[in-house]
Amino acid sequence: DQQVKQNSPSLSVQEGRISILNCDYTNSMFDYFLWYKKYPAEGPTFLISISSIKDKNEDGRFTVFLNKSAKHLSLHIVPSQPGDSAVYFCAASGNAGNMLTFGGGTRLMVKP
Amino acid sequence: GAVVSQHPSWVICKSGTSVKIECRSLDFQATTMFWYRQFPKQSLMLMATSNEGSKATYEQGVEKDKFLINHASLTLSTLTVTSAHPEDSSFYICSAIHPGQGINGYTFGSGTRLTVV
Repeated sequence: DQQVKQNSPSLSVQEGRISILNCDYTNSMFDYFLWYKKYPAEGPTFLISISSIKDKNEDGRFTVFLNKSAKHLSLHIVPSQPGDSAVYFCAASGNAGNMLTFGGGTRLMVKP
Repeated sequence: GAVVSQHPSWVICKSGTSVKIECRSLDFQATTMFWYRQFPKQSLMLMATSNEGSKATYEQGVEKDKFLINHASLTLSTLTVTSAHPEDSSFYICSAIHPGQGINGYTFGSGTRLTVV
């Protein structure tokens, strides 16, 4: 039973355009959501997070949107850069001390 | 910032041997560490939660006797893959939570690529 899903295994975007990565979840007890960036043979690197009491959080080029009623969140990267090419994982937690449940990841390719 | 060091970064071993992977929190104390496993092109799956001074909590389907976890100090957790077989070949990643940073305090090691031949 996958509680966190990323339905798009890959996404290709032109440099300078917006990248939108999507994530859906089923567990209504999740109240923290995070996005991680991962390169091959490396551990995930934290990008941005959002609490369930918010619907938007922004940090530079990265913005995360949360739609609780739809159990859906998305990560927007504007403008996209070739260095953004990596696998992006969304993750969810029941509280700050609990383990994370990860989605399957989306491979983003930003073309110069 | 918080740093988690994982060693070795890659290891090749023969079937039947055991391999130990170390996970250290370098600049903070971690009472809890997490061990994940990632198969190629798949997600990170939690294997177990390592608790300092007590037994680890394993996720369903993970063999306790095969994946031995020891969290003897506040800065070190080890995962030992015992009697390794080719199906244990995978990418193993540890994580620790930096206290005081809340949900953003999850910090991951760089991972260990295990290949069993």
